[in-house]
Amino acid sequence: GAGVSQSPRYKVAKRGQDVALRCDPISGHVSLFWYQQALGQGPEFLTYFQNEAQLDKSGLPSDRFFAERPEGSVSTLKIQRTQQEDSAVYLCASSRLAGGFQETQYFGPGTRLLVL
Amino acid sequence: DQQVKQNSPSLSVQEGRISILNCDYTNSMFDYFLWYKKYPAEGPTFLISISSIKDKNEDGRFTVFLNKSAKHLSLHIVPSQPGDSAVYFCAASEERAAGNKLTFGGGTRVLVKP
Repeated sequence: GAGVSQSPRYKVAKRGQDVALRCDPISGHVSLFWYQQALGQGPEFLTYFQNEAQLDKSGLPSDRFFAERPEGSVSTLKIQRTQQEDSAVYLCASSRLAGGFQETQYFGPGTRLLVL
Repeated sequence: DQQVKQNSPSLSVQEGRISILNCDYTNSMFDYFLWYKKYPAEGPTFLISISSIKDKNEDGRFTVFLNKSAKHLSLHIVPSQPGDSAVYFCAASEERAAGNKLTFGGGTRVLVKP
């Protein structure tokens, strides 16, 4: 079956622009995660959805970052007034069940964001 | 404060030999550990996992060992193959109602030489 897909794969933005990154999780997966991976580092957690409910947004670095999953499937991560330090790969992952289980997360290919 | 650390940024090994990747963690609440493999321009791919109630899990050429008292886990790849050349991430999670978010180490780049 299809895996997690993300679009666009690459995005170049001028500092101050708003960007929107899309994630299509594996069909039927309840849990959806966003991670940020800076160059040369491991991914860092941003936010978690269980269906359409955003249950954890503790990793969002500032109020310029906003995520939604209105119908419990596709999710969008929006970054307002982008800054150079936002340059990173943004990874989306999904897992079959809700939180609290020892579940494997399946990752998409990521969106590489470069802010000039 | 890094809760998961991979102290070796890179590893070079001859084809056919064993690759050993190490990972240390500090959070005693972690109860599930995973290894992911990542090729350039792709997302991390799940490789193998282990629950805190076990000390070993094996899947083909890949074995993960967990030493809870030392807060240490390792991944063994035997025999190593050129296609194993990639970046390997160790990750950990704890059971939470608000989603079992993963905490990753910084990765180890493995190069398997033919």
